[in-house]
Amino acid sequence: QSALTQPASVSGSPGQSITISCTGTSSDIGGYNYVSWYQQHPGKAPKVMIYDVNTRPSGVSNRFSGSKSGNTASLTISGLQAEDEADYYCSSYSTSTTPSEVFGGGTKLTVL
Amino acid sequence: EVQLLESGGGLVQPGGSLRLSCAASGFTFRSYGMSWVRQAPGKGLEWVSATSGDAGETYYADSVKGRFIISRDNSKNTVYLQMNSLRDEDTAVYYCAKVRGLVSPDSWGQGTLVTVSS
Repeated sequence: QSALTQPASVSGSPGQSITISCTGTSSDIGGYNYVSWYQQHPGKAPKVMIYDVNTRPSGVSNRFSGSKSGNTASLTISGLQAEDEADYYCSSYSTSTTPSEVFGGGTKLTVL
Repeated sequence: EVQLLESGGGLVQPGGSLRLSCAASGFTFRSYGMSWVRQAPGKGLEWVSATSGDAGETYYADSVKGRFIISRDNSKNTVYLQMNSLRDEDTAVYYCAKVRGLVSPDSWGQGTLVTVSS
């Protein structure tokens, strides 16, 4: 149950686009289309922004999009806004041992 | 609207036990798996455990296997996490989450803080 790999931090200016990567293995990201992305503001519970690689829940801005290639998933945020500043976590269904969910270490997004 | 309300957190000594509860509303509880995810202070998210809608299947992270037990009472729309043999490293905010698919967290509660310290 090893963690997925994310960059510790990314930054961008308002209006720009940024992409956060999330790298796993063939037992998780590469083997299933069950990647999720969560946004977490300080002191708050995580909120799902993307599930099943590229599906947005109702109410989530279309500025958020997800994709996957091989063992790496990506979250792209376009038209950055101040309120996007938060921690972002990826996760994936995993069968490295028993069925489980594995998370990335998190990426701090700073809007300059 | 999905609502999840955790309770039962608090301060416990190493080696002690604690039971967390999560009361659910706003969806057909018995039709969905439920999970627990934790977050140590200043750290990232760690998946802990999940149970199927009928409680027939349970899953655990290696870090808690043999010490924690997940269960549910579909008549009370509540999921539980019995935590035994607690260690300092179990200190975290514990979130309850409705599951999408087999184990993947979807909607989250606000969390309850568990502190393991002497």
